[in-house]
Amino acid sequence: GNSVTQMEGPVTLSEEAFLTINCTYTATGYPSLFWYVQYPGEGLQLLLKATKADDKGSNKGFEATYRKETTSFHLEKGSVQVSDSAVYFCALSDRNTDKLIFGTGTRLQVFP
Amino acid sequence: DTGVSQDPRHKITKRGQNVTFRCDPISEHNRLYWYRQTLGQGPEFLTYFQNEAQLEKSRLLSDRFSAERPKGSFSTLEIQRTEQGDSAMYLCASSSRTETYNEQFFGPGTRLTVL
Repeated sequence: GNSVTQMEGPVTLSEEAFLTINCTYTATGYPSLFWYVQYPGEGLQLLLKATKADDKGSNKGFEATYRKETTSFHLEKGSVQVSDSAVYFCALSDRNTDKLIFGTGTRLQVFP
Repeated sequence: DTGVSQDPRHKITKRGQNVTFRCDPISEHNRLYWYRQTLGQGPEFLTYFQNEAQLEKSRLLSDRFSAERPKGSFSTLEIQRTEQGDSAMYLCASSSRTETYNEQFFGPGTRLTVL
């Protein structure tokens, strides 16, 4: 069945460091891929998306590229801020039902 | 548009009791989803509705769980004879299938604690 695997956290970085959070997926067909973010005390928010191979999703300085050949959707940011501290979830959606399948989440902690 | 709302935000109950949660989606969103999130895990799909029709249920949804969306607007999720393993955050999301891709908007969740 469909599944998502993402790197375990926590990821601890200093402000302005480069961020990569790895995400790989297993799916039949061609799912859409997403990164959701959960800030402390808040609900899940969509961070970025990609709906087909080679699409690049971007938002708030974060980027991820849909790589069909490596079944990956790694999240990157060139310079993280303290305010980026949150839990990040990689997810895919089933094309027929649109239900989301999430990874286990990666906690990012950014220190000044 | 006030977003997806859920009620209550927190529920503490004793084992064996029944509980019911409510979700109000974004108006005119025709799809509504329920997920469950336990500590340190990502949300897991439970069930979804398109309008009033319940189209899929996860195997996670035992016969103690029932969900309804009677008029295609708000939805309720009932858990009968609660067990300690039901303790989790229950998330609701809604989307509009008219879009070319399906962005699901999530509510704040209902945190259930079963003692």
